[in-house]
Amino acid sequence: QKEVEQNSGPLSVPEGAIASLNCTYSDRGSQSFFWYRQYSGKSPELIMSIYSNGDKEDGRFTAQLNKASQYVSLLIRDSQPSDSATYLCAVYNSGSRLTFGEGTQLTVNP
Amino acid sequence: DADVTQTPRNRITKTGKRIMLECSQTKGHDRMYWYRQDPGLGLRLIYYSFDVKDINKGEISDGYSVSRQAQAKFSLSLESAIPNQTALYFCATSDPGLSTYNEQFFGPGTRLTVL
Repeated sequence: QKEVEQNSGPLSVPEGAIASLNCTYSDRGSQSFFWYRQYSGKSPELIMSIYSNGDKEDGRFTAQLNKASQYVSLLIRDSQPSDSATYLCAVYNSGSRLTFGEGTQLTVNP
Repeated sequence: DADVTQTPRNRITKTGKRIMLECSQTKGHDRMYWYRQDPGLGLRLIYYSFDVKDINKGEISDGYSVSRQAQAKFSLSLESAIPNQTALYFCATSDPGLSTYNEQFFGPGTRLTVL
């Protein structure tokens, strides 16, 4: 079992729709969870951090964490073509190592 | 100016050559990391350093070495490059003293091709 798994892509949504990206992790001792956005050929850019169960909102982005289910998600409301990128889920496990999922490629169609 | 810089940005080299990738940061962070990214494999940790005197192996350190010359500089070396080291390499920094989450921030990357 992979330490961090993301829903397989690619994911395609129309402009203005809600994009939902999902991630599960295997280490129950994990404490901090992150979503990075990566445009093709560019470096990962941190867009959301979450530590506690529940929702955390920042503009059009909402991160959701459920530690009991070992699940973290990212919702992008009013998706824009500029949101088209690969989204990486990352988790600090109990050994304090940041582990990344393989990413989900999102395309927002105008 | 970029907070985390990497040089070179692109490099083509031949099998068996020694190559060094350099990372510098102006964020004042204590912790620095080297990752490689391959299609379908995501980001994998090569080495990390919590301060100048602390160097640790990551999950894929074989064939690589590092040097932490100063708080702001962390270099990655390939002593004898091989084709399967062709990848995108990223440097990252963090500082748990500055943030509850200890977020990592990435440099622009180095695209390395080994022929």
